[in-house]
Amino acid sequence: GIQVEQSPPDLILQEGANSTLRCNFSDSVNNLQWFHQNPWGQLINLFYIPSGTKQNGRLSATTVATERYSLLYISSSQTTDSGVYFCAASSGYSTLTFGKGTMLLVSP
Amino acid sequence: SAVISQKPSRDICQRGTSLTIQCQVDSQVTMMFWYRQQPGQSLTLIATANQGSEATYESGFVIDKFPISRPNLTFSTLTVSNMSPEDSSIYLCSSRAVSGDTQYFGPGTRLTVL
Repeated sequence: GIQVEQSPPDLILQEGANSTLRCNFSDSVNNLQWFHQNPWGQLINLFYIPSGTKQNGRLSATTVATERYSLLYISSSQTTDSGVYFCAASSGYSTLTFGKGTMLLVSP
Repeated sequence: SAVISQKPSRDICQRGTSLTIQCQVDSQVTMMFWYRQQPGQSLTLIATANQGSEATYESGFVIDKFPISRPNLTFSTLTVSNMSPEDSSIYLCSSRAVSGDTQYFGPGTRLTVL
């Protein structure tokens, strides 16, 4: 099946800083999603982005399908951005395979 | 977008017992899935719940331990049988309308086995 790798595994930021999270995948995909898992365990959809670029407020994401990677940008980070960010991908009729996540801590 | 609810939200159980988790989706969906997230780990797929037939299990998961039902397009249950402390995890229900569509997750069931 498809392999998903995320980097960095951990990230510590000061409030207001910007960051870029990366997701590499091993095969062509028809589904790529970014999630945020908050400290209470809730998994929140951020982006459905098998290709192209999307923006939602301070967050944006870009997937370059031909080069098999996706990037999640967080600008002007806030303490509420803390948590684990997961990238997940699938191809064909398979279900999502998750990466190991990036744990983000934003300090005041 | 699909809204998914799960019951119970959390439970503490004794070893050797079983727990059934319910998942309800607010719209008819083609695909339903069950995931497990062990403490500090990523999500791992347990099985795909198939309507009216046996679930499709991933390697390392078996029907005797994790029986799954899906009687219709909006409802599924996962039972964790003969529990041990190693089954302490968050169990998440997920759905997707069609292949290549956005996949949604329920709030999870946080299970602790003593």
